[in-house]
Amino acid sequence: AQSVSQHNHHVILSEAASLELGCNYSYGGTVNLFWYVQYPGQHLQLLLKYFSGDPLVKGIKGFEAEFIKSKFSFNLRKPSVQWSDTAEYFCAVNVGSGGGNKLTFGTGTQLKVEL
Amino acid sequence: ETGVTQTPRHLVMGMTNKKSLKCEQHLGHNAMYWYKQSAKKPLELMFVYNFKEQTENNSVPSRFSPECPNSSHLFLHLHTLQPEDSALYLCASSLGLAGTYEQYFGPGTRLTVT
Repeated sequence: AQSVSQHNHHVILSEAASLELGCNYSYGGTVNLFWYVQYPGQHLQLLLKYFSGDPLVKGIKGFEAEFIKSKFSFNLRKPSVQWSDTAEYFCAVNVGSGGGNKLTFGTGTQLKVEL
Repeated sequence: ETGVTQTPRHLVMGMTNKKSLKCEQHLGHNAMYWYKQSAKKPLELMFVYNFKEQTENNSVPSRFSPECPNSSHLFLHLHTLQPEDSALYLCASSLGLAGTYEQYFGPGTRLTVT
C-alpha cells in the first residue's frame, strides 16, 4: 500500500517569505498527486493536482508544485506567502491506473503566516 | 445549497447509543466517500460508493455501517462505538472513480464518544 510523508508538521513564516512544503510518497507505479488546503473554518479544497505531462504544475492563489519521479516527491511552493495563506496543507496520492479514486493522505502541515 | 453538506456538524454520543451521520452532494457526482480524521493522524479512507454500490471497505469495524440509497446521499450509521472512534468524519464526492477526478469534501461531523 502506498504511504505519504509530510515532514514539516508546523511552519511559521513572515509575510513575503518563500514557502516550500515537502511531500514524499512510497509507490513504485503510476500515481496521481494532489495538494489540498483547509483554511480555518472551511472545507478541504483542492489546491493543485498532477496526473501527467509537465512535472511543474500551477494551482490556485500562486501555488505550484513539482513532481520529481526519481525522488518520489511532490513539493509545494509559493514564492511569497500572504497572511491569508495561513491554513493546513495536505498532500495526497492515488494509484494511477485502475486503482480507483482511493486517496492516501499525509498528516498535513500547519502553516502560520505572520504579519 | 451547493457542494457537499454534512449533518450534524457536531455529535456527542454514548457508547450504547445509535446515531447516523448524513452526507448530501449537490454536484451530480456518482461516487461518494467516507473518511476519518483523528488527531495527529492522516485522513483515512473508510468506504467508497459508486452508483450506490459499495466498492471499498477499508477494514472498517462493523460498528460503522454505511448506506447509500442514491448517488446524492450517503449515511454512516453508528452503534456501540468506542471512545477511540471520536474523530472528524468527512464525506467527499467525485464525478467517478477514475483517479484523475477531484474529490470535493464536506465540512465534516465532529464526533465525540463518551
